[in-house]
Amino acid sequence: LAKTTQPISMDSYEGQEVNITCSHNNIATNDYITWYQQFPSQGPRFIIQGYKTKVTNEVASLFIPADRKSSTLSLPRVSLSDTAVYYCLVGDALIYNQGGKLIFGQGTELSVKP
Amino acid sequence: EAQVTQNPRYLITVTGKKLTVTCSQNMNHEYMSWYRQDPGLGLRQIYYSMNVEVTDKGDVPEGYKVSRKEKRNFPLILESPSPNQTSLYFCASSKSGTSGRARDNEQFFGPGTRLTVL
Repeated sequence: LAKTTQPISMDSYEGQEVNITCSHNNIATNDYITWYQQFPSQGPRFIIQGYKTKVTNEVASLFIPADRKSSTLSLPRVSLSDTAVYYCLVGDALIYNQGGKLIFGQGTELSVKP
Repeated sequence: EAQVTQNPRYLITVTGKKLTVTCSQNMNHEYMSWYRQDPGLGLRQIYYSMNVEVTDKGDVPEGYKVSRKEKRNFPLILESPSPNQTSLYFCASSKSGTSGRARDNEQFFGPGTRLTVL
């Protein structure tokens, strides 16, 4: 399983764009990058997933450079309700290939202020 | 409504008193997993199950047991709880761990169970 490193915390203000970068130097060829969002007192929920280049959905964008050793989750024009913990996961498309394990890590605690 | 349910949501117990936290999903998911969440440590996987009757240890399995007799249920058992098992517990499920499609690995989480062991 590729080890991931992301900032422990970040602060932002409403209306700003927030970029959270995750480092995964040992990413394998079959690995995908997945981001989850966890609001206080709730379970995490899936935000976005990608393999390379750029992926965009209604919630966020995910930028993955050609070497795939890092990825950046971009949240456009954040609001107070985007205050949450964001987790970056790197893993094989076939969980079985990594023994079934998933590693969420500590995540990045994003605090959005008025 | 597609969901993962956990019971109880809150539990205060004493050291050594056996307890079970239930987890059930109604999405016909193959893969199920238990996590604990502690301040500063993030989410750590306790046990997981690739399918019925198939379970395996995650990163922090000590002091816990699980079973997967039916596809929809994945109870977490603490035979002799201790104060260091005070934590927030999450159950999760995903469509498949064996399909090879990355999106089938999307984890659906339950609402959490806050456990305090005195």
